[in-house]
Amino acid sequence: KAGVTQTPRYLIKTRGQQVTLSCSPISGHRSVSWYQQTPGQGLQFLFEYFSETQRNKGNFPGRFSGRQFSNSRSEMNVSTLELGDSALYLCASSLEWTGTYEQYFGPGTRLTVT
Amino acid sequence: GESVGLHLPTLSVQEGDNSIINCAYSNSASDYFIWYKQESGKGPQFIIDIRSNMDKRQGQRVTVLLNKTVKHLSLQIAATQPGDSAVYFCAENNYGQNFVFGPGTRLSVLP
Repeated sequence: KAGVTQTPRYLIKTRGQQVTLSCSPISGHRSVSWYQQTPGQGLQFLFEYFSETQRNKGNFPGRFSGRQFSNSRSEMNVSTLELGDSALYLCASSLEWTGTYEQYFGPGTRLTVT
Repeated sequence: GESVGLHLPTLSVQEGDNSIINCAYSNSASDYFIWYKQESGKGPQFIIDIRSNMDKRQGQRVTVLLNKTVKHLSLQIAATQPGDSAVYFCAENNYGQNFVFGPGTRLSVLP
């Protein structure tokens, strides 16, 4: 079974631009979560989508948004990029919560904002 | 590769010794926990999980211990190998809400 895939793997953008990142979950997984990882803040939760609906949201500004499609693939968008948005963006997928919630991560997209 | 954390706590162990990585979690209502391993340039890799109705769970070469009284989680790795060198994170979850990750511990295996 293929793992979680993320595209692109690397991105360089300039301040003020916007960016869209893509995540394809493991086949059969309906939940997709997004995280931002930086050396200073560690792994921080952005949002979670389940069956095309945002189910949970972290403490990030509205410039960060996402969506999920009917095939469970997900995208996240960051508008008006700031230097501080430079990070590794990780996507994780899982089955529906049933008391356990094995969550599997993709390799991440490394975003650099200049 | 990606520098996961510039100032992470580091645990150095000799190859073949056992490693114990500790994690203090924040929410007494958390009922599910996962340990992840992250190697440079890669996403976190699921190692083992435990529910709050258990205090110990064993996997292949790994054991997770949960002490709910003091909100403490530990990961024991038996016969540590060079391939175990990585950053290890604990993550807690409260009934299907979002995961909250600890700051991570860097494990360095010495030859």
